[in-house]
Amino acid sequence: AQTVTQSQPEMSVQEAETVTLSCTYDTSENNYYLFWYKQPPSRQMILVIRQEAYKQQNATENRFSVNFQKAAKSFSLKISDSQLGDTAMYFCAFALSNFGNEKLTFGTGTRLTIIP
Amino acid sequence: NAGVTQTPKFRILKIGQSMTLQCAQDMNHNYMYWYRQDPGMGLKLIYYSVGAGITDKGEVPNGYNVSRSTTEDFPLRLELAAPSQTSVYFCASSYWGGEKLFFGSGTQLSVL
Repeated sequence: AQTVTQSQPEMSVQEAETVTLSCTYDTSENNYYLFWYKQPPSRQMILVIRQEAYKQQNATENRFSVNFQKAAKSFSLKISDSQLGDTAMYFCAFALSNFGNEKLTFGTGTRLTIIP
Repeated sequence: NAGVTQTPKFRILKIGQSMTLQCAQDMNHNYMYWYRQDPGMGLKLIYYSVGAGITDKGEVPNGYNVSRSTTEDFPLRLELAAPSQTSVYFCASSYWGGEKLFFGSGTQLSVL
């Protein structure tokens, strides 16, 4: 079974600074997908970024980027120029790419607080 | 587009009662999922479906049942509710497994 580990239960950073959230995963498969989801106090789950394991280039979405290290099974999220609206729980997630077995496995989350 | 619609938003059950959480999506997605989120924790997969008539267990299926008779609907049935089932339940869908999940707004369930 695949596992996802987020070792930072809570983090805080000053507004406009850069913060990096860590995620490691364990799998024996070679083809898979990795995700970061954001859950603000509204409870809604919002996709932040998605990475396909076969792509060596790190995914970016505006202020959000990842550092994907396949050999190390590491998938960290960097938030640049942090904003108050970035305050949320952040979940790392993993899915295999085998048809019918792509169910998403989530980590336990990191609570990020942006300080004004 | 309504996206993924979950009902009810809140519910209180007594121990031993049963209920069905409804989930519907209007995006013609093949894949649908039910997750539960306990306080301060990540989401754990209860059941999922890759198409009408096909369902499979996730990580925590005990005490729950599902059916998928249509592409649009994926109800979750709780039989003999227990306090351990107090949680927030999320339904989600995607066109296929490796894509972005679209989540419903969640159901807060308390079993007392």
